[in-house]
Amino acid sequence: QVQLVESGGGLVQPGGSLRLSCAASGFTFTSSGMHWVRQAPGKGLEWVTLISHDGITKFYADSVKGRFTISRDNSKNTLYLQLNSLRVEDTAVYYCARELGSREALDIWGQGTMVTVSS
Amino acid sequence: EVVMTQSPATLAVSPGESATLSCRASQSVGSRLAWYQQKPGHPPRLLIYGTSTRATGIPARFSGSGSGTEFTLTISSLQSEDFAVYFCQQYEIWYTFGQGTKLEIK
Repeated sequence: QVQLVESGGGLVQPGGSLRLSCAASGFTFTSSGMHWVRQAPGKGLEWVTLISHDGITKFYADSVKGRFTISRDNSKNTLYLQLNSLRVEDTAVYYCARELGSREALDIWGQGTMVTVSS
Repeated sequence: EVVMTQSPATLAVSPGESATLSCRASQSVGSRLAWYQQKPGHPPRLLIYGTSTRATGIPARFSGSGSGTEFTLTISSLQSEDFAVYFCQQYEIWYTFGQGTKLEIK
């Protein structure tokens, strides 16, 4: 079935790094733009970044620009998010999501992976 | 940045009644507005996109309306499974979400 499964979250100290993965199945990953959206504990949703279907175009929220890098491997149907220079305020559940069409709403979401930044 | 403001923050409604949730954008987003439902411990679920188009599998009791800066999600004949948090999102100018409306049982 149509599915996104994130992994790679965990506890990291401030200034540390993590790499999140999102494995896609059940749809044509190579045709889909993909996003990461995060949600701090008990808070709302914050868009983080997007990558075009071919991996060429990438955009980032100002809050993560220069620290996070989105990428994809279409041969493996997998999306990635490299998180560097992590801050306490990056603590959140990170969701990967598929866009319905180019620059459209997000119609498929993973279950999320928790990133905790704490000393 | 387009700021999305949802009201009310919490809405208490009895099952079987209707609920009306509001979302205001700080500048026009045309019709590029979506609504999501989120239950505790679960990811958001797309309900409505393009202001008024129901996503696949979404019941007809969910309807969206509005344009520009004012939008509404209406849920008629509330079922027990509808009590959740609802977020609006604009995708006209990047992507921003509202802070959410919690729909609870009265």
